[in-house]
Amino acid sequence: GAVVSQHPSRVICKSGTSVKIECRSLDFQATTMFWYRQFPKKSLMLMATSNEGSKATYEQGVEKDKFLINHASLTLSTLTVTSAHPEDSSFYICSASLRGTPTYEQYFGPGTRLTVT
Amino acid sequence: AQKVTQAQTEISVVEKEDVTLDCVYETRDTTYYLFWYKQPPSGELVFLIRRNSFDEQNEISGRYSWNFQKSTSSFNFTITASQVVDSAVYFCALRNNAGNMLTFGGGTRLMVKP
Repeated sequence: GAVVSQHPSRVICKSGTSVKIECRSLDFQATTMFWYRQFPKKSLMLMATSNEGSKATYEQGVEKDKFLINHASLTLSTLTVTSAHPEDSSFYICSASLRGTPTYEQYFGPGTRLTVT
Repeated sequence: AQKVTQAQTEISVVEKEDVTLDCVYETRDTTYYLFWYKQPPSGELVFLIRRNSFDEQNEISGRYSWNFQKSTSSFNFTITASQVVDSAVYFCALRNNAGNMLTFGGGTRLMVKP
């Protein structure tokens, strides 16, 4: 149980285009989903926290208009990188927090590697 | 504010050697959770262990063992008889009891050579 999927796993896009990444909890309801960004050989940096049915909470320094997050249901959150540029190339990882558990365990998706040319 | 420090950025060992990955954390909370994750080259984070702040018992799982020392705010991870498949980046992480936000350490890249 507690499987999180991400789609696509890899995407290459041209500069100026927008890219949408989906994060799904496959067998549980996720109260909260998190989006992380990881640069090569670096740690995971939290970008935003997304609660179902409400606006995402962004970390300092993360542009809300650039990284649009939608959490429309308890099993799906999407991250849209708008007007992507080469510096947005990165590994994006989502995680989902299990509803109803006291420890709010986070389960991670397999990640999406974005390359902007 | 929470902080997790993994002082070793890269470790290289030869197969069958034992290796310990260090993790030191800072938090003002009395209740918190500590984690270790493995990130192989594929990128997916693999959960290894969760330990709450009230449970200082060391844990062993096969070749893996963890040493939680609250007095020194450390949660070290030892791999016994390392194997090439252990090569990965290992992250230590901290979460407080109030929220569900994880704070990650910088990671330690472990290379196990045959």
